[in-house]
Amino acid sequence: GAVVSQHPSWVICKSGTSVKIECRSLDFQATTMFWYRQFPKQSLMLMATSNEGSKATYEQGVEKDKFLINHASLTLSTLTVTSAHPEDSSFYICSARPVGGDQPQHFGDGTRLSIL
Amino acid sequence: SQQGEEDPQALSIQEGENATMNCSYKTSINNLQWYRQNSGRGLVHLILIRSNEREKHSGRLRVTLDTSKKSSSLLITASRAADTASYFCATDSLSGSARQLTFGSGTQLTVLP
Repeated sequence: GAVVSQHPSWVICKSGTSVKIECRSLDFQATTMFWYRQFPKQSLMLMATSNEGSKATYEQGVEKDKFLINHASLTLSTLTVTSAHPEDSSFYICSARPVGGDQPQHFGDGTRLSIL
Repeated sequence: SQQGEEDPQALSIQEGENATMNCSYKTSINNLQWYRQNSGRGLVHLILIRSNEREKHSGRLRVTLDTSKKSSSLLITASRAADTASYFCATDSLSGSARQLTFGSGTQLTVLP
């Protein structure tokens, strides 16, 4: 089945560091990828929709200068958390939707980001 | 923003019993999907039901959809300890020009051996 690989799975770093998270679709092309954030014991909140070859679409309240998204190819999207602070600590999950039809999104395994 | 509400928030049952989770949503949808999440992991897709379908089965899973009530249910039959996880419904709908998933609040299922 379709697989989405997300890397790294765990990041611990100091406040002020920028962190890049990669999301790859391994056996299908995805013109659209999605980035979610999840706090403990809560649901997933959509942060932004990443579109191959164009600018990402951010949800209300998500700072686009804080969370930089690049979707340079049909199989790779990256999320960079710039100058991360402790309040950015969270679980970040990406997903990708295969092109065509009513197909489910496929999710990566998530990245646990801890900012000290 | 979250579209769906799920109930119960938490459910604890004995192995072998059935588990039913309910989901309600607010806007029109293309389809509704159910996902499972083990603690600290990504989401695993379980089943997709289209807006013109009323019921769907996959193994021990049975999903119903009532678009007039804007609600769905997920039934897991003959539960196993390995079914312990969080379960989320997600509605697939158009937002502007893009299709996106909006997740419900989730149900934490615990199956006791």
